[in-house]
Amino acid sequence: DAGVIQSPRHEVTEMGQEVTLRCKPISGHNSLFWYRQTMMRGLELLIYFNNNVPIDDSGMPEDRFSAKMPNASFSTLKIQPSEPRDSAVYFCASSFLAGPGNIQYFGAGTRLSVL
Amino acid sequence: GENVEQHPSTLSVQEGDSAVIKCTYSDSASNYFPWYKQELGKRPQLIIDIRSNVGEKKDQRIAVTLNKTAKHFSLHITETQPEDSAVYFCAAPEGGADGLTFGKGTHLIIQP
Repeated sequence: DAGVIQSPRHEVTEMGQEVTLRCKPISGHNSLFWYRQTMMRGLELLIYFNNNVPIDDSGMPEDRFSAKMPNASFSTLKIQPSEPRDSAVYFCASSFLAGPGNIQYFGAGTRLSVL
Repeated sequence: GENVEQHPSTLSVQEGDSAVIKCTYSDSASNYFPWYKQELGKRPQLIIDIRSNVGEKKDQRIAVTLNKTAKHFSLHITETQPEDSAVYFCAAPEGGADGLTFGKGTHLIIQP
């Protein structure tokens, strides 16, 4: 298996533009997580899905952020409009089963720079 | 919600010596404690985890201990090698939830 696949690997955009990050979880995994990593705040959980259903989005910073999982093999994280403070590395992770204690496998991340 | 504190933020040890990283958590319902290693520019990767029904787990040079009463867990690396240099993160789930709350990370530097 190729692991969790994220695209693009790097994104540079201007303030106010819409940004869409993509994630393909490991085949057969039922849970998908979006994390954001910055120097100041470390690794933060934004939202996670079990069986394509959003379970907890309390980590989503504000209404400019939205996430979808239309099927078991694809998820998007969208920022509209983007702001410079959104610059970070965004990681997607997946696990085989729902429930705490299941190993989360991380993708390579998308490095977002908002100018 | 869960709060995870991690210390130290930077740890420098001589090659061959041991390294210990400590974490505390706040949610007594948490029952799973993973440790991730992140090399510069790479993704976090699980290196070891422990569940609340055991107090210690070992995998070659790496061990994790858990004290549920005190709500703290530690990562121990023995006979450190240059390839151990990385940032290490501890984590704990919200009680009953799936997402992880991470500590702020420890930058481990192995001095030759």
